[in-house]
Amino acid sequence: QQPVQSPQAVILREGEDAVINCSSSKALYSVHWYRQKHGEAPVFLMILLKGGEQKGHEKISASFNEKKQQSSLYLTASQLSYSGTYFCGTVVIQGAQKLVFGQGTRLTINP
Amino acid sequence: IAGITQAPTSQILAAGRRMTLRCTQDMRHNAMYWYRQDLGLGLRLIHYSNTAGTTGKGEVPDGYSVSRANTDDFPLTLASAVPSQTSVYFCASSEAPGGPEFFGPGTRLTVL
Repeated sequence: QQPVQSPQAVILREGEDAVINCSSSKALYSVHWYRQKHGEAPVFLMILLKGGEQKGHEKISASFNEKKQQSSLYLTASQLSYSGTYFCGTVVIQGAQKLVFGQGTRLTINP
Repeated sequence: IAGITQAPTSQILAAGRRMTLRCTQDMRHNAMYWYRQDLGLGLRLIHYSNTAGTTGKGEVPDGYSVSRANTDDFPLTLASAVPSQTSVYFCASSEAPGGPEFFGPGTRLTVL
C-alpha cells in the first residue's frame, strides 16, 4: 500500500529543474507532499484532491492524475533552499483517512 | 507559541524499561498521529486519533499504546522497550482526518 517514489535521489545545480513522481497501486482520494530538511521535522507543502488539480507553491508545483493513480512534484529553477527529502503521502479511497508515506526522494542542490 | 511540542527531545533507554513520549498541540486540531522514522523506510504510522476519546492502529502498532483523553495531548507509551524501537518519533496533527499534517520537532529514542 506504500506509494512508490522515483527517483530515490537526485542531484542538481542551482537553477535546474526536477520532477519527483509518486505512484500508488490503489485508487487515491488525495496526495500530500512534504519536505524534510536534515535533522528537522517534515513540513507540509501542498495537498491535491482527486479531480486532476494542480497546485503551486513558490516555484514548486504538483499535479495529480487519478486515473494513473500518480502525482508528480515539479521544482523549477531550483534554489539551494530546496534541498531536502521530499515525501509524498497518499490517502486511499474506501480506506480510513490515514496518510501512507512513500520512502522519500533526496534532493541535493549544489551551487 | 502555536504548534506541536514533543518531550523529551532525545532519550537513551535500557531495554525492558517503560517510556512515555509526550505530545501536545495548541491548534485545537481534531486528529493526531504518531509516526516513527527509520533510515530508508520513510515515515510509518504507529497509532492515530481522529478525535478526542478515540484511537486507532496504524501500520506498526505492536509494542506501543496511546491515549487521547483530551484534544491537546496524545502520549505514546512503550510498555517494555526493545532495541528495534530505536528510532525518531514524530507526533503530528491535522484539523481533520486526511487533512494537511503539521509535525512536532521529534524525539530521538535509543534503546540499548
